[in-house]
Amino acid sequence: NAGVMQNPRHLVRRRGQEARLRCSPMKGHSHVYWYRQLPEEGLKFMVYLQKENIIDESGMPKERFSAEFPKEGPSILRIQQVVRGDSAAYFCASSPQNEQFFGPGTRLTVL
Amino acid sequence: DAKTTQPTSMDCAEGRAANLPCNHSTISGNEYVYWYRQIHSQGPQYIIHGLKNNETNEMASLTITEDRKSSTLILPHATLRDTAVYYCIVRYLSGAGNMLTFGGGTRLMVKP
Repeated sequence: NAGVMQNPRHLVRRRGQEARLRCSPMKGHSHVYWYRQLPEEGLKFMVYLQKENIIDESGMPKERFSAEFPKEGPSILRIQQVVRGDSAAYFCASSPQNEQFFGPGTRLTVL
Repeated sequence: DAKTTQPTSMDCAEGRAANLPCNHSTISGNEYVYWYRQIHSQGPQYIIHGLKNNETNEMASLTITEDRKSSTLILPHATLRDTAVYYCIVRYLSGAGNMLTFGGGTRLMVKP
């Protein structure tokens, strides 16, 4: 059973561009969480999704950030008009119910 | 979720037991204690969790005090590969708010 997969592993964008981060949960998992980790800090919750539904987006910035988890395909975290402060590691986790299993992360660098 | 307090860093000799403490004095009766670790820049790895009884699995043991205000994660024979940041998290198990809230964690350095 493959683990949680994230791609790309590294992403470089210039200010103003869009960043799309993908997360494929473990087989059979219908819950996906996105977290952001700034350098030298702990992970911070962003959003919690189930198939086709956003359950909790209390950690998402109000502008430029959006997330989806369609019926088919991976979950997508989309950042529009990136700024240097968006540079961070973005981790997703999937869960069948309670334990969360994390992917390897996507490291976003904004030039 | 209740807040947790952990030492910032700890050292442990290779082959010895590593005992990582965590205080969670405001934990409520329905909150579980979870432990995760993050090995340099990788995604966090689930270790163990418990409610009030001591728990053991292939990775570690978890002891929770009777009043549930503190717990200890025990790595019985630490290896160099156990060097990581260890996070103690208390959380409810269900509902929309069951995200993980990561604090600063304990940076464990296992030395030869």
